[in-house]
Amino acid sequence: DAGITQSPRHKVTETGTPVTLRCHQTENHRYMYWYRQDPGHGLRLIHYSYGVKDTDKGEVSDGYSVSRSKTEDFLLTLESATSSQTSVYFCAISESGGAGQPQHFGDGTRLSIL
Amino acid sequence: TQLLEQSPQFLSIQEGENLTVYCNSSSVFSSLQWYRQEPGEGPVLLVTVVTGGEVKKLKRLTFQFGDARKDSSLHITAAQPGDTGLYLCAGGDNQGGKLIFGQGTELSVKP
Repeated sequence: DAGITQSPRHKVTETGTPVTLRCHQTENHRYMYWYRQDPGHGLRLIHYSYGVKDTDKGEVSDGYSVSRSKTEDFLLTLESATSSQTSVYFCAISESGGAGQPQHFGDGTRLSIL
Repeated sequence: TQLLEQSPQFLSIQEGENLTVYCNSSSVFSSLQWYRQEPGEGPVLLVTVVTGGEVKKLKRLTFQFGDARKDSSLHITAAQPGDTGLYLCAGGDNQGGKLIFGQGTELSVKP
């Protein structure tokens, strides 16, 4: 299995508080992705990174920011959490961004915002 | 905006039955991937198809990419309880490896 660790695995917090989720990889893959998974929506891309300090938005990026200061770590931050951001968040990595490249996923972070 | 419509969303069948899951779009994708996800875990890649009309088989699972690269199907023969899970299709482009996921098909195979 690809070495991907997401932390925390579970978190409950209150509306308006900042939240940071961490994704750590040991595969030295260039590309990293953050998705959220909600019933009836499959997985939706929030942000992705194609290298250290290189990031871009996905289809549901509003309310989220990311940072990648090292190859192995990709952080997702909710500056001021809202109840609509209650979801399961998945990190994925890929060796390259070419067509057909497989993505390997972490086991997710279940985030509840009350 | 690219969309992938996956159907059915829920499927409950008896062991030994056959089933097909469909993934359709009005957009052309450079690749189509199928993932399987178990509760509490991340999706795991089953197969990638990249050529229009391509068919790939993985034991009792058959994957097909449409000729126009807008649709795909997953056929399972003689389903077993171990096939139970969430199946996700995902269309890929050449821009940063981004994937567009379908809504998923929750499959339950009863003994």
